[in-house]
Amino acid sequence: GQQLNQSPQSMFIQEGEDVSMNCTSSSIFNTWLWYKQDPGEGPVLLIALYKAGELTSNGRLTAQFGITRKDSFLNISASIPSDVGIYFCAGQRYNNNDMRFGAGTRLTVKP
Amino acid sequence: SAVISQKPSRDICQRGTSLTIQCQVDSQVTMMFWYRQQPGQSLTLIATANQGSEATYESGFVIDKFPISRPNLTFSTLTVSNMSPEDSSIYLCSVVVTRAYGYTFGSGTRLTVV
Repeated sequence: GQQLNQSPQSMFIQEGEDVSMNCTSSSIFNTWLWYKQDPGEGPVLLIALYKAGELTSNGRLTAQFGITRKDSFLNISASIPSDVGIYFCAGQRYNNNDMRFGAGTRLTVKP
Repeated sequence: SAVISQKPSRDICQRGTSLTIQCQVDSQVTMMFWYRQQPGQSLTLIATANQGSEATYESGFVIDKFPISRPNLTFSTLTVSNMSPEDSSIYLCSVVVTRAYGYTFGSGTRLTVV
């Protein structure tokens, strides 16, 4: 079953606002990833994090790998309508090749 | 990263029948996975498709229900057998090329069982 707790479940924001979502786990992961899924499509990788404490940006997106290796957050600055979608966190351990996904955060941006 | 072609993109099937989903990758990949995404839900790993050997299934998924083939490093199939309405989901193929690119997903197969 799922081992990642992602919050919030959904967000309704105004265009231009900043967004923050996070993921926590009771287990340690060696890699944290953040994906976005648009309707009718598979998830697309946004940011990958490989080291505890790592802070990585991709345009308006910033994500951090928690020091304890049990959490990660994703921030989106100055949101725009095309940011609408479902954002998933995912964790991976070295011993396993598969990923485990959070439940997702459904983002709605009002113009 | 890799480009994945997944077919069919969607299908409506009668209960009791089977559907085979194909996943074709434009480059050789070691790791290939099949995920299920039930309506409004997150992704759940079904199995790891192993080239040249039987797939490795996650808890709750069995080979008789979800037989998988992996004849080479660029292709895999997932069959959903003896379907029921509870099997209505999006089925996604995923591969990893290099650690830097994470996992790449196909666009999915949206299955509706009536």
